[in-house]
Amino acid sequence: DQQVKQNSPSLSVQEGRISILNCDYTNSMFDYFLWYKKYPAEGPTFLISISSIKDKNEDGRFTVFLNKSAKHLSLHIVPSQPGDSAVYFCAATGFGNEKLTFGTGTRLTIIP
Amino acid sequence: DADVTQTPRNRITKTGKRIMLECSQTKGHDRMYWYRQDPGLGLRLIYYSFDVKDINKGEISDGYSVSRQAQAKFSLSLESAIPNQTALYFCATSDRGQGYTDTQYFGPGTRLTVL
Repeated sequence: DQQVKQNSPSLSVQEGRISILNCDYTNSMFDYFLWYKKYPAEGPTFLISISSIKDKNEDGRFTVFLNKSAKHLSLHIVPSQPGDSAVYFCAATGFGNEKLTFGTGTRLTIIP
Repeated sequence: DADVTQTPRNRITKTGKRIMLECSQTKGHDRMYWYRQDPGLGLRLIYYSFDVKDINKGEISDGYSVSRQAQAKFSLSLESAIPNQTALYFCATSDRGQGYTDTQYFGPGTRLTVL
């Protein structure tokens, strides 16, 4: 039972344009969400997070949006740069859970 | 120097062999985790440990065992490797959270192939 789903295995975006990566979850106990970025031959690294008390969190070119009623979050990257080419995982957890549940990942390719 | 290291980085072994993957961290974190990554399945938790005396099974612990030798060391063993354990394995650490898991820091991964 996949509780965190990333339905797009891959995404290609022109350099300078907006990249939008989507994530859906089914467990209503999840109330804290994270995005991790992974380059080949490296471990995932933390990118940005959002708590369910917010619907938006920004960090530079990266913004995460949360729609609790739809159980959906998205990561926006503006403008997209070649160095953003990586696999992006969304992850979710709940208060007292103390473990992360990861999605299947989306491979983002930025086209120069 | 990397904060979370994994050895070996690559390993090819045969069905039935015993394999140990090791993880060390210099971040001073209490919590350590082992994940495996498979294409199309994302990262799945195998085992986790919140301190030296605390070991917990994750969602896919069958066929694996772990040992937390010290705060900084957490090893994963495959007692009798089988081909469907071929995967990329990651160790991660985190600090003690306030009811939530704190940000997890990952090692570079071990690519394991079981023939």
